[in-house]
Amino acid sequence: EVQLLESGGGLVQPGGSLRLSCAASGFTFSNYAMSWVRQAPGKGLEWVSSITDSGDSTFDSDSGKGRFTISRDNSKNTLYLHMTSLRAEDTAVYFCAKTTVGATEYFDYWGQGTLVTVSS
Amino acid sequence: QSVLTQPPSVSAAPGQKVTISCSGSSSNIGNNYVSWYQQLPGTAPKLLIYDNYKRPSGIPDRFSGSKSATSATLDITGLQTGDEADYYCGTWDTRLSVVVFGGGTKLTVL
Repeated sequence: EVQLLESGGGLVQPGGSLRLSCAASGFTFSNYAMSWVRQAPGKGLEWVSSITDSGDSTFDSDSGKGRFTISRDNSKNTLYLHMTSLRAEDTAVYFCAKTTVGATEYFDYWGQGTLVTVSS
Repeated sequence: QSVLTQPPSVSAAPGQKVTISCSGSSSNIGNNYVSWYQQLPGTAPKLLIYDNYKRPSGIPDRFSGSKSATSATLDITGLQTGDEADYYCGTWDTRLSVVVFGGGTKLTVL
């Protein structure tokens, strides 16, 4: 059974930093791309960033570009999102998602999410 | 404002059929595959449809997807109260080089 367990969320002040983690199990982690998708309170889904299976390539949305860095450690079956210069508008639940890419792109399994609140 | 346009809400009675539309452009839906996600209240999204019409294992055939030109559609037949959820379409946007989602549609089963 595929399981994705996010952690690392919490309350952070504007301008602060946070690192989210996503522990994966139930599939061969190193064979799949992974992504972060966020959802602001009461709002829709917003793609944040994706990383290839090897970690050699990353893809970022404009909202996180230059501030957020996606990475992975295939030896630990763990995905990360390092967030810096956080703003109030980054407040959201952050989901990690197993990602199928190629001619298509979709998120076939999602974690339960971790809440990031940016406030003073 | 989302790149993909969905109706904010739809409703229908139990047992009936509902259609949720997702409108885009040639840079996204027109030239890429569409996926659909169901988000039950307080839970994470779940993949319902991928590659326009394919269902992951475990998804009942009451859920079906289609695509025509720059629009996609999710049909749900035999509505159940347990289908009450938010539904999102998503795809890659070639011009923006990002994954885009619709704004979401809240389904109410009356």
